[in-house]
Amino acid sequence: DTEVTQTPKHLVMGMTNKKSLKCEQHMGHRAMYWYKQKAKKPPELMFVYSYEKLSINESVPSRFSPECPNSSLLNLHLHALQPEDSALYLCASSQGAISNQPQHFGDGTRLSIL
Amino acid sequence: AQSVSQHNHHVILSEAASLELGCNYSYGGTVNLFWYVQYPGQHLQLLLKYFSGDPLVKGIKGFEAEFIKSKFSFNLRKPSVQWSDTAEYFCAVNAREYGNKLVFGAGTILRVKS
Repeated sequence: DTEVTQTPKHLVMGMTNKKSLKCEQHMGHRAMYWYKQKAKKPPELMFVYSYEKLSINESVPSRFSPECPNSSLLNLHLHALQPEDSALYLCASSQGAISNQPQHFGDGTRLSIL
Repeated sequence: AQSVSQHNHHVILSEAASLELGCNYSYGGTVNLFWYVQYPGQHLQLLLKYFSGDPLVKGIKGFEAEFIKSKFSFNLRKPSVQWSDTAEYFCAVNAREYGNKLVFGAGTILRVKS
């Protein structure tokens, strides 16, 4: 079992809906990440939070809005998504915001936009 | 910008065969190197990592990888594969100057025939 928990596992939403993806870790990690993975492609970084502050935004459209309420939680708020946003969304965490620390991944949320 | 190339997209081996998966990266500075594995239906898991020191690193489940700086390579090896090694393998690179931006290769799907 992964130590990074993501909910929900599956989500189907319309283009006008608002929903949120949630990620939780209790390893005391201070860096958390969102990735997007399309079918048959590698994960692509979206956002990095370091000590609860957004440190990297990979030019992600504003219809994706991340939030880090505390050091254990990471949310991704979704609004007015497009069909091409259908993908597996992965959350990860690492001990600190240092590049040599391995990231621990969750199982992902499989998102389908109708 | 850093990029990662994995040369083989699909590899099929019989049990007990030796495995080598190629990985090359493009960045010329100091890098941190990782191999992740994704078993069917499971989350991404760290196999092994290289930060510094001995360029031959050993990971879990009998895997090892060798960092060859002059070739910008970090190939993954296992002397004798098992059916349970069937999975997708991702090489990933994180250049220190880029902070926590982990860049993945396209992945190699390994199928081991029993």
